[in-house]
Amino acid sequence: EDQVTQSPEALRLQEGESSSLNCSYTVSGLRGLFWYRQDPGKGPEFLFTLYSAGEEKEKERLKATLTKKESFLHITAPKPEDSATYLCAVGTTDSWGKLQFGAGTQVVVTP
Amino acid sequence: DAMVIQNPRYQVTQFGKPVTLSCSQTLNHNVMYWYQQKSSQAPKLLFHYYDKDFNNEADTPDNFQSRRPNTSFCFLDIRSPGLGDAAMYLCATSRAGTKEETQYFGPGTRLLVL
Repeated sequence: EDQVTQSPEALRLQEGESSSLNCSYTVSGLRGLFWYRQDPGKGPEFLFTLYSAGEEKEKERLKATLTKKESFLHITAPKPEDSATYLCAVGTTDSWGKLQFGAGTQVVVTP
Repeated sequence: DAMVIQNPRYQVTQFGKPVTLSCSQTLNHNVMYWYQQKSSQAPKLLFHYYDKDFNNEADTPDNFQSRRPNTSFCFLDIRSPGLGDAAMYLCATSRAGTKEETQYFGPGTRLLVL
């Protein structure tokens, strides 16, 4: 059975304190791994898509990496505006159009 | 800017009173999705349209229906809302047929059932 697990569930950081979020997955065939940011009361905002192991993508203070079993979202020198829930989702080769979401990591960055 | 638009942003309905939520997109994507998201949970796919083809998830209650009159618009109809249907409803779109299959979400409609 396909499974996506995010850790930790919640993360509290001081401004400037870098950290990483983990998304581990067990799927039959990976079509793509997607990272989203979701603010309270809003829809998920697309961040990155990763397709193959070894791939990396960056955007401002965020960097996403992918291996055959997991993905990391690195937050470098976070600011309070990086506070949000970060969702990881996986698309599989045998289930087009359906994303398997993790439960998310809630990140709070304090000044 | 190309985007996914949802109306209304907040909807209050009474128990058992039908309600319709709408979604429109200017991305010219051929796939549109409806998700339900309850507090502190991951989005749950209800159904999606691939062009005009409707694809229902096996565990989506019959109480939920959808219409897609054209490429740009998609509607979610809840025939008899129950208290358990109070949630955020998210519309998303994607372009099938290319490697880039990222789903882009709208801002959501928060449904309250009294």
